[in-house]
Amino acid sequence: GAGVSQSPSNKVTEKGKDVELRCDPISGHTALYWYRQSLGQGLEFLIYFQGNSAPDKSGLPSDRFSAERTGGSVSTLTIQRTQQEDSAVYLCASSLGTAEETQYFGPGTRLLVL
Amino acid sequence: KQEVTQIPAALSVPEGENLVLNCSFTDSAIYNLQWFRQDPGKGLTSLLLIQSSQREQTSGRLNASLDKSSGRSTLYIAASQPGDSATYLCAVPDSSASKIIFGSGTRLSIRP
Repeated sequence: GAGVSQSPSNKVTEKGKDVELRCDPISGHTALYWYRQSLGQGLEFLIYFQGNSAPDKSGLPSDRFSAERTGGSVSTLTIQRTQQEDSAVYLCASSLGTAEETQYFGPGTRLLVL
Repeated sequence: KQEVTQIPAALSVPEGENLVLNCSFTDSAIYNLQWFRQDPGKGLTSLLLIQSSQREQTSGRLNASLDKSSGRSTLYIAASQPGDSATYLCAVPDSSASKIIFGSGTRLSIRP
């Protein structure tokens, strides 16, 4: 079946602009996760959704970052007033239940803030 | 707080060799451990997931072992091939099961 998809695959934006990143999880997966991978760095957790609610937002780096999930499916990660340090690959993953089950990752969105 | 460490950070071996990648974690009360592969510019692919009750999992030329008491896991790759070149990451769920904690990865290069 279809895996996790993300769009856009690449995004170049100017400092100060807002961006929206989209994630389509695997059908039937109730859990959805956003991670960030900066150049040469490890994966940094951002936020976790169980259904439409986000019980763990502890990884969001600032109030410029927000995320929502609707219909228990698609999620969008919004970054307002982008800064150059926001440049990274944003990865989305989904799993059937909690993080104790296999997570399946999308290809990522490569964000470059000029 | 759970911390995951991977050693070495990079490894280069000639084709055909068997090799071992190491992963260690500080909190042994894990539910499972997952090994991923990441190709340059790509997302992560799950390779193996070992439940806490298991000692090892095998998939083709890959074998992952888990020793919870010592906080260690190894990924064994047999008869390495150039196509195995990638970054390998291990990860464990945190105690709230709301995210997985990743190691920094081992960048593997297989020389033809």
